[in-house]
Amino acid sequence: EDKVVQSPLSLVVHEGDTVTLNCSYEVTNFRSLLWYKQEKKAPTFLFMLTSSGIEKKSGRLSSILDKKELFSILNITATQTGDSAVYLCAVITQGGSEKLVFGKGTKLTVNP
Amino acid sequence: DAGITQSPRHKVTETGTPVTLRCHQTENHRYMYWYRQDPGHGLRLIHYSYGVKDTDKGEVSDGYSVSRSKTEDFLLTLESATSSQTSVYFCATQTGPFFNEQFFGPGTRLTVL
Repeated sequence: EDKVVQSPLSLVVHEGDTVTLNCSYEVTNFRSLLWYKQEKKAPTFLFMLTSSGIEKKSGRLSSILDKKELFSILNITATQTGDSAVYLCAVITQGGSEKLVFGKGTKLTVNP
Repeated sequence: DAGITQSPRHKVTETGTPVTLRCHQTENHRYMYWYRQDPGHGLRLIHYSYGVKDTDKGEVSDGYSVSRSKTEDFLLTLESATSSQTSVYFCATQTGPFFNEQFFGPGTRLTVL
């Protein structure tokens, strides 16, 4: 059974801290890994990672994929209260019936 | 966002009644998806569509059916709602031919009493 595991499940930090969120996966026929940010509404897309070792960056957020060790990390530097959200990791499996498998998310709370 | 709307946004219904949720998109995306999101389970795929009248099951499809008669509309039907189907339902669309970036609708909160 395909599985995506995120850790930690929740995290509380202070503004200015740097955080690292983890996503490990066990799936058949991996294609890509996606990161989403979900506040009190629908998830919004952050990154899609397909190749190992290539860092994707957007402002204070960055992410990298390790296809050998089957994990990805999402880094947020100089956190702000607006970064408070649930961060979702999802893996795309390829094959006859492609699908997206989500982890349960990491709830990040950034306190002022 | 990709011009995705869901209706209704909130619904309370009774066990055994049929319920239909609608997802409407204005971006002409070929692929559309229905997910449910529950505490402790994250997002789970119910059904998806890869074109008009072309649909397939996801991991939690039991008790649900879908229809796609037009590119812009993807309907999710609970034939006979049960309390276990109380959830938040998200529709999503996809820009490209394979799974890549998905855009999500605002969600529908369904409560089955």
